Amino acid sequence: EPEVTQTPSHQVTQMGQEVILRCVPISNHLYFYWYRQILGQKVEFLVSFYNNEISEKSEIFDDQFSVERPDGSNFTLKIRSTKLEDSAMYFCASSEQDLWGQGAGGELFFGEGSRLTVL
Amino acid sequence: AQKITQTQPGMFVQEKEAVTLDCTYDTSDQSYGLFWYKQPSSGEMIFLIYQGSYDEQNATEGRYSLNFQKARKSANLVISASQLGDSAMYFCAMREGEGANNLFFGTGTRLTVIP
Repeated sequence: EPEVTQTPSHQVTQMGQEVILRCVPISNHLYFYWYRQILGQKVEFLVSFYNNEISEKSEIFDDQFSVERPDGSNFTLKIRSTKLEDSAMYFCASSEQDLWGQGAGGELFFGEGSRLTVL
Repeated sequence: AQKITQTQPGMFVQEKEAVTLDCTYDTSDQSYGLFWYKQPSSGEMIFLIYQGSYDEQNATEGRYSLNFQKARKSANLVISASQLGDSAMYFCAMREGEGANNLFFGTGTRLTVIP
């Protein structure tokens, strides 16, 4: 069964360093997302991406964050200068349709997450 | 105000019994959608079931059903015939507003199935 894959599964970095989290969405999907989950807290939306541009972003997604689809398969999240509060599990997701698609309302398929620890 | 509220941080259920996980939501939009996701210990988020605000019948997917009470703004997940593999975190989520393409998640409920 096709799946969303994320690398690395865990990254430890020093505060102020740049981090790139990588995702390979399901191949025929057109919509891509990043969510994050701070330990013990709820999952929070960061950004959605469609047709090679950001379609929506949350207040969390400030200038320190950027996303890119550098080729036909990868979807990356870059944090330019990490802060302690960026420590979280970051989930990539993809969907064939937007969330208003028919059937299951555009089901999101999530990856297993990348745990980022900022020291 | 929280858009999604899950008041049960943890629930226990006996194997083969049914369990209800609570979810209430807050929105002023007429058009919205409600989702339930399962997060096992491995970490991935697995879609379970979806209910649209205009759907008149409660959604069902195998052993999962969604008890949708629109006037009360609740969308409780019912799992029938619980199995040991159902032990996981369960998140209720909502997308609201025509055209919005993001989900608001609740804080989750950890379900433990007891043999």
